[in-house]
Amino acid sequence: GDSVTQMEGPVTLSEEAFLTINCTYTATGYPSLFWYVQYPGEGLQLLLKATKADDKGSNKGFEATYRKETTSFHLEKGSVQVSDSAVYFCALPGAGSYQLTFGKGTKLSVIP
Amino acid sequence: NAGVTQTPKFQVLKTGQSMTLQCAQDMNHEYMSWYRQDPGMGLRLIHYSVGAGITDQGEVPNGYNVSRSTTEDFPLRLLSAAPSQTSVYFCASSYSQMNTEAFFGQGTRLTVV
Repeated sequence: GDSVTQMEGPVTLSEEAFLTINCTYTATGYPSLFWYVQYPGEGLQLLLKATKADDKGSNKGFEATYRKETTSFHLEKGSVQVSDSAVYFCALPGAGSYQLTFGKGTKLSVIP
Repeated sequence: NAGVTQTPKFQVLKTGQSMTLQCAQDMNHEYMSWYRQDPGMGLRLIHYSVGAGITDQGEVPNGYNVSRSTTEDFPLRLLSAAPSQTSVYFCASSYSQMNTEAFFGQGTRLTVV
């Protein structure tokens, strides 16, 4: 079945460091791919998405490119801030369904 | 625009007690779902609904019941709480089309003692 494998944390970075969180997937066809973010004490919210191969999703300085050849959707940010401290989830819809399959989440802590 | 509203935010139950977690959305979304979030496990789907009167089981349905009498509401019932149900519960909704964004509530942190 469809699955998501996500780099597990926790990840601790200094402010202004470069961030990469790896995500690879197994899926039937070419579903949309999502990154969700969960700030402390809150629910998940969509950070960015890509709907087809080679698409690049971007938001709040974060980027991720839908790579069909490597079945990857890695999340990157050039310069992280303390306010980026959160848990990040890679996700994709199940084949023929509306259900989301999530990675296990990567907790990011950014220190001043 | 409230989005997805969950109540309560926190709850402590004794083993064997029952309770209902409430979820309401005001976006006229057809699809609603319940997840539980546990450390190191990510989010796991408990139950979902593709419209009023239609529900189905997800990955971890045991010990939980749901119903969908209206488009807006999707309550989750714990029949006889167990310590293994200690978790953070999230309700989510989305439009009926696949590959669309899901909107999440703020979560309910449940502790069963």
